[in-house]
Amino acid sequence: DAKTTQPTSMDCAEGRAANLPCNHSTISGNEYVYWYRQIHSQGPQYIIHGLKNNETNEMASLIITEDRKSSTLILPHATLRDTAVYYCIVRVGHDYKLSFGAGTTVTVRA
Amino acid sequence: GAGVSQSPSNKVTEKGKDVELRCDPISGHTALYWYRQSLGQGLEFLIYFQGNSAPDKSGLPSDRFSAERTGGSVSTLTIQRTQQEDSAVYLCASSGTAQETQYFGPGTRLLVL
Repeated sequence: DAKTTQPTSMDCAEGRAANLPCNHSTISGNEYVYWYRQIHSQGPQYIIHGLKNNETNEMASLIITEDRKSSTLILPHATLRDTAVYYCIVRVGHDYKLSFGAGTTVTVRA
Repeated sequence: GAGVSQSPSNKVTEKGKDVELRCDPISGHTALYWYRQSLGQGLEFLIYFQGNSAPDKSGLPSDRFSAERTGGSVSTLTIQRTQQEDSAVYLCASSGTAQETQYFGPGTRLLVL
C-alpha cells in the first residue's frame, strides 16, 4: 500500500468546519482512500472512503484531488466529541491487513 | 443496527495465566479480524477469518496465541501463559467480505501484571 502523510496535530473551533489533509502521492489506480478515527479509549471508527470521486455521508465529506495524490476530510460542524486521532490510509480492496500511521490528533476547542 | 461487540472490555490477569477474549461480529459479516494496539503503537494485524476458508494466522506473534471462530460468527482469541508484553488493546473487526470496509469493536484492554 502507498504511504500517507498527515499533519501531527491540529486544533479546530467548535462549530466550525475541520479540514484534515492527507498526502498519498504514490497511490495506485486501484487503491482507495479510507478515513478512520479513534476517540480516546475507543476502537477505531470508520468515517468514509473513496476512489476518485468526492464522497459525502452523515459524518463527513471526502475531497480527492483529480490526480488522487492528496485528499481532505471535512467535518462540516466540529463538536467537542469529534476530538480524536484521525487516520488516513490507502488500501487495495483485497488487502485486508489494515495498518494505521500516526494520524492527526484533532482537538476541538469550545 | 448492532455493531461489533467485544468482551470483556477490560481484563487484568497475572503473568502465566490464560485469557480468552470474545468477539461478536456484525450479523451477516463473513470476514472477521483480530488486531492488537499497544500503547503509543500502531495497529498490528493478528489473524483473519473468512467464511469456511483456512484462517490467515500470519500475524500471531507466538504459539501462545490462538483464535477460533465457531459457526462462522463468534470468535475467541486465546492467549496462553500471558506475559507482560501481551498487555495491549485487542481489537476485533468485521466486514461483509475481505474487500469491504472493516468495522471495529470497542476493544478489550488487557493488562498482565
